[in-house]
Amino acid sequence: GENVEQHPSTLSVQEGDSAVIKCTYSDSASNYFPWYKQELGKRPQLIIDIRSNVGEKKDQRIAVTLNKTAKHFSLHITETQPEDSAVYFCAASNPISSGSARQLTFGSGTQLTVLP
Amino acid sequence: DTEVTQTPKHLVMGMTNKKSLKCEQHMGHRAMYWYKQKAKKPPELMFVYSYEKLSINESVPSRFSPECPNSSLLNLHLHALQPEDSALYLCASSQALFGLGTTYNEQFFGPGTRLTVL
Repeated sequence: GENVEQHPSTLSVQEGDSAVIKCTYSDSASNYFPWYKQELGKRPQLIIDIRSNVGEKKDQRIAVTLNKTAKHFSLHITETQPEDSAVYFCAASNPISSGSARQLTFGSGTQLTVLP
Repeated sequence: DTEVTQTPKHLVMGMTNKKSLKCEQHMGHRAMYWYKQKAKKPPELMFVYSYEKLSINESVPSRFSPECPNSSLLNLHLHALQPEDSALYLCASSQALFGLGTTYNEQFFGPGTRLTVL
């Protein structure tokens, strides 16, 4: 099955600096890579995703890059703000063979703290 | 309605109790999921329903019994749980485009039920 590794497990940055979180995956059949933000006591919320036919995607201060050959993908947050503080999970997804639901395999999470 | 709802928000139960968790969505999604999340850990997939049929059971103990009575509802019946089953139980849903090729279906998560087993 798929295995997703995520680094670092904790990351502290000063407000205004950039933050980068990296993930690797093992299954070359994975073709969809979402990133979720989870604030304490709340549900995971999708912040950005990337498909395997795209190398980079940007949405305001957030960008994701994908290197299919190396099976790496990364989340980049620029101009960080205190409200960016949360746990961030990467995930890799491939279709479930018996239907068209998708199985998400999550990384272990990164606790991002943005210091004011 | 672009939300997944879950009830109850909190549940405390004894090891001999029987209880149920409920999840509902009205986005027309035909794939629904149960996850278990322990503190400071990622969500772990438990069950997947696609078109109201169970398509994945990730070797979950039989004291957890899922049910999908219709395309909008997903239940998780709990019986004879152990204290180590205490966790946040998350429901999610996504589109399921059966018959099409590759799909990229965002999973929408509910707020979860915080379960404590005494």
